[in-house]
Amino acid sequence: NAGVTQTPKFQVLKTGQSMTLQCAQDMNHEYMSWYRQDPGMGLRLIHYSVGAGITDQGEVPNGYNVSRSTTEDFPLRLLSAAPSQTSVYFCASSQPGGRSTDTQYFGPGTRLTVL
Amino acid sequence: AQRVTQPEKLLSVFKGAPVELKCNYSYSGSPELFWYVQYSRQRLQLLLRHISRESIKGFTADLNKGETSFHLKKPFAQEEDSAMYYCALSGNTNAGKSTFGDGTTLTVKP
Repeated sequence: NAGVTQTPKFQVLKTGQSMTLQCAQDMNHEYMSWYRQDPGMGLRLIHYSVGAGITDQGEVPNGYNVSRSTTEDFPLRLLSAAPSQTSVYFCASSQPGGRSTDTQYFGPGTRLTVL
Repeated sequence: AQRVTQPEKLLSVFKGAPVELKCNYSYSGSPELFWYVQYSRQRLQLLLRHISRESIKGFTADLNKGETSFHLKKPFAQEEDSAMYYCALSGNTNAGKSTFGDGTTLTVKP
């Protein structure tokens, strides 16, 4: 199992550009989430999904869109990049029910810089 | 609303000393508490969860519902314990969502 994979690992954008951060998991997990990690602010939830076709907003959703057309993939779209979106982005997945309920499995992260 | 507070951003101890990373939470339902660790240049990974009641790498954490705390402890710190530690909460009323604290950077000096 590859677990949770994210691409790209690094990205530099100019203000106003759009892009999609990719996330995929091969563990057949129902739940997937996107977080951003900023110094001194921990991990903040952007969007999450409890299954294919179902998404919801987290703590800091503005400027980001998500969709979940398959169980495996959960892409995060930046519509018009802003310097405030400079951050490290982590995707995570988890599976409800059973002994490992809600244990999150994280991807390696994408370091995004917006100039 | 749910909240996780880690009051210490930085914690520094000497090798062999005891270490305690504090975590307090607020949640109206039945919480599940976790500690995640991020070593340098590695992804976040689960260290332990309260429901398992196990010791991982010498670390333990006890859920104290009266004090709404889930402090992480280790009696003798090792240099390889140096990392960022996050306390996290999820629960039966917020499926799929986890709330993380701001994290504590632990440095174990030789």
